[in-house]
Amino acid sequence: ETGVTQTPRHLVMGMTNKKSLKCEQHLGHNAMYWYKQSAKKPLELMFVYSLEERVENNSVPSRFSPECPNSSHLFLHLHTLQPEDSALYLCASSQTGTQDETQYFGPGTRLLVL
Amino acid sequence: AQSVTQLDSHVSVSEGTPVLLRCNYSSSYSPSLFWYVQHPNKGLQLLLKYTSAATLVKGINGFEAEFKKSETSFHLTKPSAHMSDAAEYFCVVSGRGGYNKLIFGAGTRLAVHP
Repeated sequence: ETGVTQTPRHLVMGMTNKKSLKCEQHLGHNAMYWYKQSAKKPLELMFVYSLEERVENNSVPSRFSPECPNSSHLFLHLHTLQPEDSALYLCASSQTGTQDETQYFGPGTRLLVL
Repeated sequence: AQSVTQLDSHVSVSEGTPVLLRCNYSSSYSPSLFWYVQHPNKGLQLLLKYTSAATLVKGINGFEAEFKKSETSFHLTKPSAHMSDAAEYFCVVSGRGGYNKLIFGAGTRLAVHP
């Protein structure tokens, strides 16, 4: 595997379910990000982990809970979601502390909350 | 504060004709600028980036962009559109922060007609 991978690619869940999204980066980066992409809205940054520490949490509801066990893996735990949480969830990674600020994105998880 | 404005939400061109996607930015310092492309049901792919070197930046698939500081613009162009170029394009500016913060434009949807 190369780049940034995300699983599952598609997920349908009820409002009472608990599920997790997984992201893995194979680029040796030290920062990882979760974004939410809803229809007709700009890309929203949700969480940032740099050197495995959470450095940003953009007022995301507590029903979304991130976890970064090491620099290569990032999870987003979901529980008691609402229909308006249906969106494409994108993971990205980058290398901080260098001149290159490029973020590399995974293919996303398409989430539908019923 | 940094911001980015994509001047057109939709652009439609005929195959073989030039493409112009417009982007203006605002930044209190010399930013890095990026163009990403998103094909349907896919993640974001980096097209090209400007990081204070040459002002004319060449990217993948024949795209290029010119950084014009006096006009605070970073427009994306391609001499001849292909059907496969139909996608959503995002202009992105780097922000401040201890990590590689990116600020995304709202996106421009490019349609290519035969």
